Amino acid sequence: DTEVTQTPKHLVMGMTNKKSLKCEQHMGHRAMYWYKQKAKKPPELMFVYSYEKLSINESVPSRFSPECPNSSLLNLHLHALQPEDSALYLCASSQGLLRANSGNTIYFGEGSWLTVV
Amino acid sequence: AQSVSQHNHHVILSEAASLELGCNYSYGGTVNLFWYVQYPGQHLQLLLKYFSGDPLVKGIKGFEAEFIKSKFSFNLRKPSVQWSDTAEYFCAVNARTGNQFYFGTGTSLTVIP
Repeated sequence: DTEVTQTPKHLVMGMTNKKSLKCEQHMGHRAMYWYKQKAKKPPELMFVYSYEKLSINESVPSRFSPECPNSSLLNLHLHALQPEDSALYLCASSQGLLRANSGNTIYFGEGSWLTVV
Repeated sequence: AQSVSQHNHHVILSEAASLELGCNYSYGGTVNLFWYVQYPGQHLQLLLKYFSGDPLVKGIKGFEAEFIKSKFSFNLRKPSVQWSDTAEYFCAVNARTGNQFYFGTGTSLTVIP
């Protein structure tokens, strides 16, 4: 069925640390996304990858660095984060890029809860 | 500016009450419409979606939504809510010209047993 797997589920990191969030999907989807969600707020788009190439960067600070090693994997490398970066980071995928009439639906992973101390 | 509006920020209902959550969007062209639910501490789950065809869409857990093109609306309904429906509900739209999801601000539903 639909499954987007994210690891770790919880991460606590200091402001000088370097860590990575990982996302994996085996649905053959060719578009993958990173979203950031604060409590009781809608998800905010960060990055979109299409066919392993960065398609959209929503003016995200360079302390967040995405990487798409292959069509099934999406990483988000974190370095020198700030406490305000603490949030739920959601990975998502869709069969293709999202355009009306494409019939594509976006599927979300369970997210990685990030706390920056 | 293009937007998705959810007018009800917080709704409190008793069990067995009927539910209707509003969603309006401002795109003029072809759109795909979605409702997602997020239970406390959990991830976003797709409730239902509209791409084309019958404007009354049935989803999981007894939810349905009606697309009214003339009103640019896609309201979510459930005839009888349960305590387990307590969650955040997000409407989302993707438009022909866009390559991303536009989420509404969300509605927090609390169902009192």
